[in-house]
Amino acid sequence: AQKITQTQPGMFVQEKEAVTLDCTYDTSDQSYGLFWYKQPSSGEMIFLIYQGSYDEQNATEGRYSLNFQKARKSANLVISASQLGDSAMYFCAMRGPGRNNAGNMLTFGGGTRLMVKP
Amino acid sequence: GAGVSQSPRYKVAKRGQDVALRCDPISGHVSLFWYQQALGQGPEFLTYFQNEAQLDKSGLPSDRFFAERPEGSVSTLKIQRTQQEDSAVYLCASTPGRADTQYFGPGTRLTVL
Repeated sequence: AQKITQTQPGMFVQEKEAVTLDCTYDTSDQSYGLFWYKQPSSGEMIFLIYQGSYDEQNATEGRYSLNFQKARKSANLVISASQLGDSAMYFCAMRGPGRNNAGNMLTFGGGTRLMVKP
Repeated sequence: GAGVSQSPRYKVAKRGQDVALRCDPISGHVSLFWYQQALGQGPEFLTYFQNEAQLDKSGLPSDRFFAERPEGSVSTLKIQRTQQEDSAVYLCASTPGRADTQYFGPGTRLTVL
């Protein structure tokens, strides 16, 4: 079974500073994918960044980067130059390889609420 | 292009009523997923469709939950005899293929009184 753990229920960051949101995972699969989604108060899950388990380079997408440490089973999200619009819930999720007819469903962590202070 | 849409955005039901939640995936997306998100928690998988075939329904919490996608596009999640514990946000996601990034709709917030 797959498990995602996000140990920070809430985080504050000053506008324009960088912030790291923690995510650890547990899986026995060799092939898997890790995702970060942002969920503002409107409720929609917005895809931010993806890291494959065989990717050698850490993923980056604009101000988002993923600090992937495979041996430690961690996939922390780093947001640089925080903006007020970054205030939201952030979810780490894992996708397994899928078996038989099973879909590649996502397993989510409990989320971290990020609040950016002006 | 148009994203995933869901309707209604909000639904209030009395305990015991039946409800139907609709998901319109991105055009051409083969795979469709339903998730349930309780207040303050991360989403949890309910069921998965590949085209019109429901290939995985292992996450449906009881036989009161039923999902369909008869023509391989629009999907409906039906909950019969709603209970208070069914109160949650129901999220739909679609992908072009089986192992691609999932794109989510805005969700339907269901409140059972």
